[in-house]
Amino acid sequence: DGGITQSPKYLFRKEGQNVTLSCEQNLNHDAMYWYRQDPGQGLRLIYYSQIVNDFQKGDIAEGYSVSREKKESFPLTVTSAQKNPTAFYLCASSTSSGQGIRRGSRDEQFFGPGTRLTVL
Amino acid sequence: GENVEQHPSTLSVQEGDSAVIKCTYSDSASNYFPWYKQELGKRPQLIIDIRSNVGEKKDQRIAVTLNKTAKHFSLHITETQPEDSAVYFCAASIGTGFQKLVFGTGTRLLVSP
Repeated sequence: DGGITQSPKYLFRKEGQNVTLSCEQNLNHDAMYWYRQDPGQGLRLIYYSQIVNDFQKGDIAEGYSVSREKKESFPLTVTSAQKNPTAFYLCASSTSSGQGIRRGSRDEQFFGPGTRLTVL
Repeated sequence: GENVEQHPSTLSVQEGDSAVIKCTYSDSASNYFPWYKQELGKRPQLIIDIRSNVGEKKDQRIAVTLNKTAKHFSLHITETQPEDSAVYFCAASIGTGFQKLVFGTGTRLLVSP
C-alpha cells in the first residue's frame, strides 16, 4: 500500500474554481495515471504519463490538465470547464511501459488512496 | 476502442460457496488481464493477474482463467469468506507499445455468514 500518496483526502470546490489534486510516489515508477471513479462506471482514464515531461490524454481528458515535471509527482487540475467533477479520483503508478512479457517485469498498477471531490 | 464488459454487477453468496465473475474484451491484441479488489472507501488492490501466454493461474482460493479465442476471462473465488465482500474490477491492457488498462464496471460481491 505504501509508496503512493494523494492529497487531500476530501476536497470541496465551488462553481468556477480550479482545484489541484496531488499525487506523489516514491516507488521510482516511470509511469503514472489518473482515473476517475463514478458509481457503477468503474475506473475511467483521464491522463497518463510514461515518463517525466511527457503526458497523454486518456478517455475523458476534457476539463482536466496535468503536469509531470518530476518523476515522483503527477498533479491533476480540475478546471472550471469540467461540468460534472464530483467523483472519486485515483492516481496510480507502474514500473513498466508495457514490456513486461519480454523483460519479465510486472505491469501492476499501484493505486493511491484517492481524493473525493465534491462540487458545492 | 477497447471495451471490457463485466458480469454480474452484483453477486450474493453464502459463506463457503464459490463465486465466479466474468469479463469479455474486444481488442484481440490485449495481453494482460489484472483483477482488482476494492473495499468500501479504499484503493483498488491487485489480487491476481494473467498474461495471454497462459490459460489459467491460481493463488490459494483465487483463480483466473483466460480464453483468448472467445476473448473472455473469469475470476473464481472458492470457499468464500465474509472478508471477500468487496467490489471486484477486471481490466484488459490496450496498446502494443505503452500499455494502458481499460476497466470493467465492477462486481459487488456480498458474502453472507
